[in-house]
Amino acid sequence: AQSVTQLDSQVPVFEEAPVELRCNYSSSVSVYLFWYVQYPNQGLQLLLKYLSGSTLVKGINGFEAEFNKSQTSFHLRKPSVHISDTAEYFCAVSEMNTGFQKLVFGTGTRLLVSP
Amino acid sequence: NAGVTQTPKFQVLKTGQSMTLQCAQDMNHNSMYWYRQDPGMGLRLIYYSASEGTTDKGEVPNGYNVSRLNKREFSLRLESAAPSQTSVYFCASSSKDRGDYEQYFGPGTRLTVT
Repeated sequence: AQSVTQLDSQVPVFEEAPVELRCNYSSSVSVYLFWYVQYPNQGLQLLLKYLSGSTLVKGINGFEAEFNKSQTSFHLRKPSVHISDTAEYFCAVSEMNTGFQKLVFGTGTRLLVSP
Repeated sequence: NAGVTQTPKFQVLKTGQSMTLQCAQDMNHNSMYWYRQDPGMGLRLIYYSASEGTTDKGEVPNGYNVSRLNKREFSLRLESAAPSQTSVYFCASSSKDRGDYEQYFGPGTRLTVT
């Protein structure tokens, strides 16, 4: 069975500073990896995904993530955050080669951007 | 396209009451899911339907039932609500056939059981 660990429940940062949100996963098989964002009182929206190929993945709103198989990590980064990036971010994993996609989510990291 | 829609948006129930949460998608997706979101616990899968005509239990199925009414609709039923079912419920859909592996989420239903 897979599991996802997001060690930081909350990350405060100043506007225009860089940020990294950490995600580690555990699985006995190869996986696909995702980051979703949830703005207040809304559903989840896909930021980016890693399916195969280049380990550096670029997503929407200037975010990127790097897949590190040896460290079983998929950390999310942004070089310069904006106030509007304040949201909750979820890392998720699903097994490859299933007939459908069954996601396992981390507990989330709340990013708080202040002026 | 409306994407994934959920009704109602808010609901307050008394302990022991029943209700059905409705979900519909207009993207011709094969798979549909129900999650609950609780503070500090992320999203946990309640039930899923890999394809029309099939349903399976997820991580936290106790106290819930589901119906995949057709390819578009997937409902979640609470037969006898309990305070522990106070949560925000999200429906999602996906289609591996699209090759994108993305799950598309509805806006959620905020349920309070008193």
